[in-house]
Amino acid sequence: DVKVTQSSRYLVKRTGEKVFLECVQDMDHENMFWYRQDPGLGLRLIYFSYDVKMKEKGDIPEGYSVSREKKERFSLILESASTNQTSMYLCASSFWTSGSMVTGELFFGEGSRLTVL
Amino acid sequence: GQNIDQPTEMTATEGAIVQINCTYQTSGFNGLFWYQQHAGEAPTFLSYNVLDGLEEKGRFSSFLSRSKGYSYLLLKELQMKDSASYLCAVMDSNYQLIWGAGTKLIIKP
Repeated sequence: DVKVTQSSRYLVKRTGEKVFLECVQDMDHENMFWYRQDPGLGLRLIYFSYDVKMKEKGDIPEGYSVSREKKERFSLILESASTNQTSMYLCASSFWTSGSMVTGELFFGEGSRLTVL
Repeated sequence: GQNIDQPTEMTATEGAIVQINCTYQTSGFNGLFWYQQHAGEAPTFLSYNVLDGLEEKGRFSSFLSRSKGYSYLLLKELQMKDSASYLCAVMDSNYQLIWGAGTKLIIKP
């Protein structure tokens, strides 16, 4: 079974702290994604990566950065946490797809619920 | 702008059938996905439609009409374990997923 593991299920941080959210997948997937999930809103893409050391901004990258030094690991960094970053963070991975062979099935981690006080 | 609409919440009875609708307006179309998410858990893939018509997978079926920008997820013989949120997502012309806010399905005995 594909497994996407997020390092922390629940975190409580203070405003201004640096926060690291780690995600590891064991299926050799090329693509990895970080989303945030808030009540009443669809999943919003923060950053994604199609390859090692490669990153692309999603819809809401402000206040976040990412790191992908190894294929299996994709880290989300909040340089200076703020209360409006209180949310559920979901990591996902998928195989590379192209053109007419798009399936795009995402495999998600359990999520990291971050509270910033 | 790009938009995915689905009902916020639905209630159904165990053993019955329920249809969850999803309408979309996106820049291009490369397929529509349905995911299931139980409370406190990760979303899991249910179905993918890229051509018009009905795709059946056990108790779950998914329908797509590209001309109408419309899809539905049909759940038959409802079980209590089907209580979950159902997320609709469309892949646009840039192969990016646009997500609806999800439909919370409540199953009553």
